[in-house]
Amino acid sequence: EPEVTQTPSHQVTQMGQEVILRCVPISNHLYFYWYRQILGQKVEFLVSFYNNEISEKSEIFDDQFSVERPDGSNFTLKIRSTKLEDSAMYFCASSALAGVDEQFFGPGTRLTVL
Amino acid sequence: SQKIEQNSEALNIQEGKTATLTCNYTNYSPAYLQWYRQDPGRGPVFLLLIRENEKEKRKERLKVTFDTTLKQSLFHITASQPADSATYLCALASNSGYALNFGKGTSLLVTP
Repeated sequence: EPEVTQTPSHQVTQMGQEVILRCVPISNHLYFYWYRQILGQKVEFLVSFYNNEISEKSEIFDDQFSVERPDGSNFTLKIRSTKLEDSAMYFCASSALAGVDEQFFGPGTRLTVL
Repeated sequence: SQKIEQNSEALNIQEGKTATLTCNYTNYSPAYLQWYRQDPGRGPVFLLLIRENEKEKRKERLKVTFDTTLKQSLFHITASQPADSATYLCALASNSGYALNFGKGTSLLVTP
């Protein structure tokens, strides 16, 4: 069964460093998403991406964040200058359609900022 | 502001019983509502989607109801099993339809 994959599973970084989280969505999906979940809190939407551009972003997704689909398979989330409060689990998701369609989530990358 | 509220307290039930989880929302006019399951340290897994014109949806031992007047969805697991122990998340789409907004989830523990 096709699945979303994410690398690395765990990333430890120093405050102020740049990190890139990588995702490979399901191959025939067109819509891609990043969510985050701070420990003990709810899953929060960050950004959605379609047709090589951002289709929606939340207030969390400020200028420190960027997304890119550098080739036909990868989808990346970059955090330019990490803060302590960026420590969270980051989930990538994809869907075939927008709106009325299930989203398939990856296993997550646990980001720890020291 | 938009809110999605789920029982914050964990639900403990005995194996074989029916678990009922509640999702209430405010300031949404959703065309549909989704339920996901999340295990510790894992990503959410889609379970069911119910549209506004559907009162009830079933899938195996799962049943979801959707009352747009009460602004509430109920999620039932019949004949519950220890393997059903997880956190169950209610999700509504943003106005644009791209983002999913999640409730905090209800933790279910099924004991033998």
